[in-house]
Amino acid sequence: DAKTTQPTSMDCAEGRAANLPCNHSTISGNEYVYWYRQIHSQGPQYIIHGLKNNETNEMASLIITEDRKSSTLILPHATLRDTAVYYCIVRVARWSGYALNFGKGTSLLVTP
Amino acid sequence: EAQVTQNPRYLITVTGKKLTVTCSQNMNHEYMSWYRQDPGLGLRQIYYSMNVEVTDKGDVPEGYKVSRKEKRNFPLILESPSPNQTSLYFCASSSGGTQYFGPGTRLTVL
Repeated sequence: DAKTTQPTSMDCAEGRAANLPCNHSTISGNEYVYWYRQIHSQGPQYIIHGLKNNETNEMASLIITEDRKSSTLILPHATLRDTAVYYCIVRVARWSGYALNFGKGTSLLVTP
Repeated sequence: EAQVTQNPRYLITVTGKKLTVTCSQNMNHEYMSWYRQDPGLGLRQIYYSMNVEVTDKGDVPEGYKVSRKEKRNFPLILESPSPNQTSLYFCASSSGGTQYFGPGTRLTVL
């Protein structure tokens, strides 16, 4: 799996959009970008994933640059419950055999 | 509701007393795995299973056993727990690249 780089921490005011960046400059053509988050000591939660097109679901939007070397997870209206560690992971989608490499992620603090 | 369940959620035990942490999923996923999470070390895979009766070691399998007799269940067995197995444990299942995690089991071995 390609290596990813994320900022260690970020702050966001409640109600504002939270934009979490991720660099994955060595991504391969068949690798997807996945985002998970972990709220303190709970099980990691899948958020969204994409290959090259931008994606949106009920939780977030994922913007992938045209060269696919970076992406941004957008939480459009952050709430206090979005305070969590967010992990950007790059991997081949169809393969389930390998452990997810969560790395250190970005600790997002949403403030009132 | 699609989910992964683990039991117990919290367990305090003593060194050497065999224990089993159960994991069950209702999504008919073929792939299941166990992770442990420790401060500063992140999530590390213990064992995984690609299907019934097929299991394999992850990154930190020492001191653990697993079995996969049914598709929905993947118990984690500690035959002789030791204090260094005090950790937060997560079970996960997946079909394809997306993994779904259980709520976690916090184990303390005294």
